[in-house]
Amino acid sequence: GAVVSQHPSRVICKSGTSVKIECRSLDFQATTMFWYRQFPKQSLMLMATSNEGSKATYEQGVEKDKFLINHASLTLSTLTVTSAHPEDSSFYICSARGSQGGSYEQYFGPGTRLTVT
Amino acid sequence: DAKTTQPPSMDCAEGRAANLPCNHSTISGNEYVYWYRQIHSQGPQYIIHGLKNNETNEMASLIITEDRKSSTLILPHATLRDTAVYYCIVRPDSGNTPLVFGKGTRLSVIA
Repeated sequence: GAVVSQHPSRVICKSGTSVKIECRSLDFQATTMFWYRQFPKQSLMLMATSNEGSKATYEQGVEKDKFLINHASLTLSTLTVTSAHPEDSSFYICSARGSQGGSYEQYFGPGTRLTVT
Repeated sequence: DAKTTQPPSMDCAEGRAANLPCNHSTISGNEYVYWYRQIHSQGPQYIIHGLKNNETNEMASLIITEDRKSSTLILPHATLRDTAVYYCIVRPDSGNTPLVFGKGTRLSVIA
């Protein structure tokens, strides 16, 4: 099956600093990548959708200037949380959509747990 | 908004079949039913999907009613490692529409 990796798996940062999370599709080309956020005991919430080479489309209520998304290649997308605050502490999960065997499926990374102190 | 309704939690004895129901009464003709699961602190894992026919793979079976307004995911012999939150999602198969997650069903497999 298709593999999506995320780095780092865990990160702790101080309030006011920025954190970059990488998402890679390891064995397929991802034309579209999605970023989700998950707070404890809650479901995944879609933050944004990005297509390779285009600006990301953000969901309502998600600040595009705070959550910078770059999808510069078909295998790499990055999410940068700028000026992080404790309320940004969450589990961030990326997902990549690509074609395998003629059908498009959405594959998920293992997630990155961000803690802002 | 999620277009599906699932019970918040279920228990299942180890070795027995786990039957997880999902209602999707407003499903459109071009929408598929997808099932994912999320084990604690991990990313969601794809299980199975279908349009109108029943589907089976190495992980599970998916039974979709004839009117497509509901479906059941069946784990034939549940193990402790199947303890997870199971999400039923409807989505068109083509295009870039992302998966939208509802609250899912928390399945606890008990020894």
